Amino acid sequence: DQQVKQNSPSLSVQEGRISILNCDYTNSMFDYFLWYKKYPAEGPTFLISISSIKDKNEDGRFTVFLNKSAKHLSLHIVPSQPGDSAVYFCAASALDRNQFYFGTGTSLTVIP
Amino acid sequence: DTGVSQDPRHKITKRGQNVTFRCDPISEHNRLYWYRQTLGQGPEFLTYFQNEAQLEKSRLLSDRFSAERPKGSFSTLEIQRTEQGDSAMYLCASRGLAGTQETQYFGPGTRLLVL
Repeated sequence: DQQVKQNSPSLSVQEGRISILNCDYTNSMFDYFLWYKKYPAEGPTFLISISSIKDKNEDGRFTVFLNKSAKHLSLHIVPSQPGDSAVYFCAASALDRNQFYFGTGTSLTVIP
Repeated sequence: DTGVSQDPRHKITKRGQNVTFRCDPISEHNRLYWYRQTLGQGPEFLTYFQNEAQLEKSRLLSDRFSAERPKGSFSTLEIQRTEQGDSAMYLCASRGLAGTQETQYFGPGTRLLVL
């Protein structure tokens, strides 16, 4: 039962353009969402998070948008850089639970 | 380096052998997680500790798997009688105090290959 879904396994973007990665969830109890970036043979690296009381959170080139009614979040990377090429995972949890649920990841390739 | 560390980084073993992995969390974090990740999948939750207490276990954690966190600091994950299907990346993550909505930080993982 996949509670967090990333329906695009891969995405290619030209350097300097915007990358938009999408994530959908099914559990309405989720109220905390995170994005992780993962390089091969390494553990996931925390990128940015958002609480359900917000609909947007920005950190430098990275912005996460949350649409609670649609149970959808997205990560925008502007401008995209070749070093951003990695697999991106979204994850979700509920405040009163300790378990995080991860999507299957989207592999981003930024073309120089 | 004050991040999460895991040891070993790689392990190759023969089917039927036992293996043990270690995780050292960020020192001030009292919450610790183990995940398993296979190719093309996101991390799958295995178990969760708050201090030394193992509070949650996934159905994925068969009776061949056991995890401990004896003093509420480092943790070990043991797999007995390994099977080829156990081949995966085993990730450890730690998180701040319970009751706070803080993110979790991952270690580099231990890649297990069962021959």
